[in-house]
Amino acid sequence: EVQLLESGGGLVQPGGSLRLSCAASGFTFSRYAMTWVRQTPEKGLEWVSTISAHSDGFHYADSVRGRFTISRDNSRNTLYLQMSGLRAEDTAIYYCANDVGDVFFQYWGQGTLVTVSS
Amino acid sequence: DCVMTQTPLSSPVTLGQPASISCRSSQNLVHSNGNTYLSWLQQRPGQPPRLLIYKVSERFSGVSDRFSGSGAGTDFTLEISRVEAEDVGVYYCMQATQFPRTFGQGTRVEIK
Repeated sequence: EVQLLESGGGLVQPGGSLRLSCAASGFTFSRYAMTWVRQTPEKGLEWVSTISAHSDGFHYADSVRGRFTISRDNSRNTLYLQMSGLRAEDTAIYYCANDVGDVFFQYWGQGTLVTVSS
Repeated sequence: DCVMTQTPLSSPVTLGQPASISCRSSQNLVHSNGNTYLSWLQQRPGQPPRLLIYKVSERFSGVSDRFSGSGAGTDFTLEISRVEAEDVGVYYCMQATQFPRTFGQGTRVEIK
């Protein structure tokens, strides 16, 4: 059974930093790209970033480029999102999802809530 | 960026009746490899999104055959043949043909 478990969310002040993690199991993590998506009531679902299976390809949304860094540790089956320079508009539930071949966003985690507020 | 526009935004449906959701993309979603990466997601209340349909019409593992997808190019449709109570939630189309990946605004399906 595929499982994706996000962690690391919480309350952070504007300008602060946070690192999210996504622990994966139930599939061969090192073979597939992984993605972060966030969701707010106002903006709905927003793609944040995708990393290739072997960390040789990265893509970022314009809204986070230069502030967020996606990475992965295939030996630990874990995906990360390092967030810095956080803004109020980064407040959202952050989900990780896997891309398996031609099937994008195949499975989603339960999400972790990030709140940026003073 | 490819803008995804869904209609309607809300769909009250009688149990056992069909429902249909449309999704239009601002750009042609045919990839250079010939595939069209248009997916449909379901989000039940309090749950994360869940993949229903990928590559326009491929039903994901475990998804009821009451769900079907169709379309091509820039116009796509999700149909639910007979709505059941467990189908209540928000449905999103999304494209993975190009970066940035983009989602529709969501269509809320509720029971009349």
